Amino acid sequence: GESVGLHLPTLSVQEGDNSIINCAYSNSASDYFIWYKQESGKGPQFIIDIRSNMDKRQGQRVTVLLNKTVKHLSLQIAATQPGDSAVYFCAETGNFNKFYFGSGTKLNVKP
Amino acid sequence: DTEVTQTPKHLVMGMTNKKSLKCEQHMGHRAMYWYKQKAKKPPELMFVYSYEKLSINESVPSRFSPECPNSSLLNLHLHALQPEDSALYLCASSQVPERIAGHNEQFFGPGTRLTVL
Repeated sequence: GESVGLHLPTLSVQEGDNSIINCAYSNSASDYFIWYKQESGKGPQFIIDIRSNMDKRQGQRVTVLLNKTVKHLSLQIAATQPGDSAVYFCAETGNFNKFYFGSGTKLNVKP
Repeated sequence: DTEVTQTPKHLVMGMTNKKSLKCEQHMGHRAMYWYKQKAKKPPELMFVYSYEKLSINESVPSRFSPECPNSSLLNLHLHALQPEDSALYLCASSQVPERIAGHNEQFFGPGTRLTVL
């Protein structure tokens, strides 16, 4: 399943499928990006980050892709699990101190 | 210990009350942050402290007054709030950015759910 971020705030996928969550950022000076996961009643939790001198970074079951030309960031989750259900935010910064969060995408994983 | 703690978990206050939110971390982080999050919205940065000094104030109304008494503690003093200030207030901490060559992960607390009547 795939979302378009601001225009499709909820993404529903079947357990075991791959998920793609998208984020468009606006500041061309941003050089550091983070994906956060926020579960209900909790604070955001760091998932993966990427600097602007890279276009791809992989973690455990997650991959972040950065396309600076079109100011687009995506988070790919492999073999999505029920525990992945949460709201996902991208965050960008140009000076490492001031982070601006995107509007978020809610991921629903159906068993 | 990679935990940021916040107290209280929930707070209900009237518009004439004075209350304080507290945040604590013992990761040795010298940058600490306050964010405000409304329901179904992303966190919005309010204040940043670096080495216990206020470095960023995102034009926050003066009814919110931050304080960083030491490197482990961050407070947010509240006075004469409005009902629209009701939100989840999140604290975060990180290493000071200029010391980092790689990434600068912010660790968030669970937040204080504030209701202003």
